[in-house]
Amino acid sequence: QQKVQQSPESLTVSEGAMASLNCTFSDGTSNNFRWYRQHSAKGLEVLVSIFSDGEKEEGRFTAHLNRANLHVSLHIREPQPSDSAVYLCAAMSNYNVLYFGSGTKLTVEP
Amino acid sequence: EAAVTQSPRNKVAVTGGKVTLSCNQTNNHNNMYWYRQDTGHGLRLIHYSYGAGSTEKGDIPDGYKASRPSQENFSLILELATPSQTSVYFCASGGNNNQAPLFGEGTRLSVL
Repeated sequence: QQKVQQSPESLTVSEGAMASLNCTFSDGTSNNFRWYRQHSAKGLEVLVSIFSDGEKEEGRFTAHLNRANLHVSLHIREPQPSDSAVYLCAAMSNYNVLYFGSGTKLTVEP
Repeated sequence: EAAVTQSPRNKVAVTGGKVTLSCNQTNNHNNMYWYRQDTGHGLRLIHYSYGAGSTEKGDIPDGYKASRPSQENFSLILELATPSQTSVYFCASGGNNNQAPLFGEGTRLSVL
């Protein structure tokens, strides 16, 4: 079973400053990682999916994957107050099951 | 438009009662999932399914049953609800490995 840990638990940044979130996973066999965003216990919105080492950009959101280090990160460029939410990292197993971290609560201050 | 719809959105149940949470997807996805979300635990997998007629146990299946009568519908059943099952429940559907699973809006369940 894939175990996923996220850090930090909470993060506060100023509007326009880069926000960086981290995720480590226990099993290096997965090659399928997602970052989701969740506003106020609502549904999950997928932000970025990444399947190989390196970088994947989707608008202001960039994911970096380093499978050798069992690490995937998310960088949010020019965050806005509307980006305040819980960010969830997920790794997909070989059985098409997503395993989630416990989330990072991001607050973007004006 | 791809969608996952959960019902009810909110439910109050009594201890020992039976609760059924329903999920419908219009995405023609083979895979469907039930998770619960609690503070400090993130999303934990309860049951999942690879297609009509199939159900598989996830990481925390005790106290829950699942039913997948059709491609579109996946239900989560609490035969004897307990207060520890108070939580927010999310259903998701997914296709092939490169498609991000899509999530419903969640069902908030309180067991008193």
